[in-house]
Amino acid sequence: GEDVEQSLFLSVREGDSSVINCTYTDSSSTYLYWYKQEPGAGLQLLTYIFSNMDMKQDQRLTVLLNKKDKHLSLRIADTQTGDSAIYFCAETLLASGTYKYIFGTGTRLKVLA
Amino acid sequence: GAVVSQHPSRVICKSGTSVKIECRSLDFQATTMFWYRQFPKQSLMLMATSNEGSKATYEQGVEKDKFLINHASLTLSTLTVTSAHPEDSSFYICSAISLITEGTGELFFGEGSRLTVL
Repeated sequence: GEDVEQSLFLSVREGDSSVINCTYTDSSSTYLYWYKQEPGAGLQLLTYIFSNMDMKQDQRLTVLLNKKDKHLSLRIADTQTGDSAIYFCAETLLASGTYKYIFGTGTRLKVLA
Repeated sequence: GAVVSQHPSRVICKSGTSVKIECRSLDFQATTMFWYRQFPKQSLMLMATSNEGSKATYEQGVEKDKFLINHASLTLSTLTVTSAHPEDSSFYICSAISLITEGTGELFFGEGSRLTVL
């Protein structure tokens, strides 16, 4: 079945790097995403990676994809207090012409000043 | 960037009443819209997928008569919680896919609507 798992909590000090991990089970996913959710708000796309890529870097964000192990990670360099939020990884599966999205459980990142 | 707006952002209603939540794509046409429910400190639970002009596809365990979804145009989808009860209290979030970003499958999310049923 389809399942996306994340650790629930991560706490880091301001200025350190944060690494949020995600594992998924369906190897047919086309794209994998990282979304950020601030309290009481919807989700905001941070970055995405195509399933045939290993790495993508976008300013302070680095996404690593290990397709063999079905492992996705998001590294935030120089973490700031404004990065405190819940981070969701998600995968998309295209089945019968329709996208199906599977979201992870979310990782609550707390940045300590 | 693409903007999805939900309304109302917060609603409090009495048990037994019906509540309608609107989801609008403001600057793009949404081929598909999704409705999610999120419990406190939990992940998003997909409730249904709606395509313009056709009936919504509900996920297993979601009562279609309880959660009515209408996708009348390429920019508007509505979720009506009928005969709401306290256990329906939750954060409801919609998202949409744009024709432009359909290739990457990027979702654009609304701000969410917090429903409290007394």
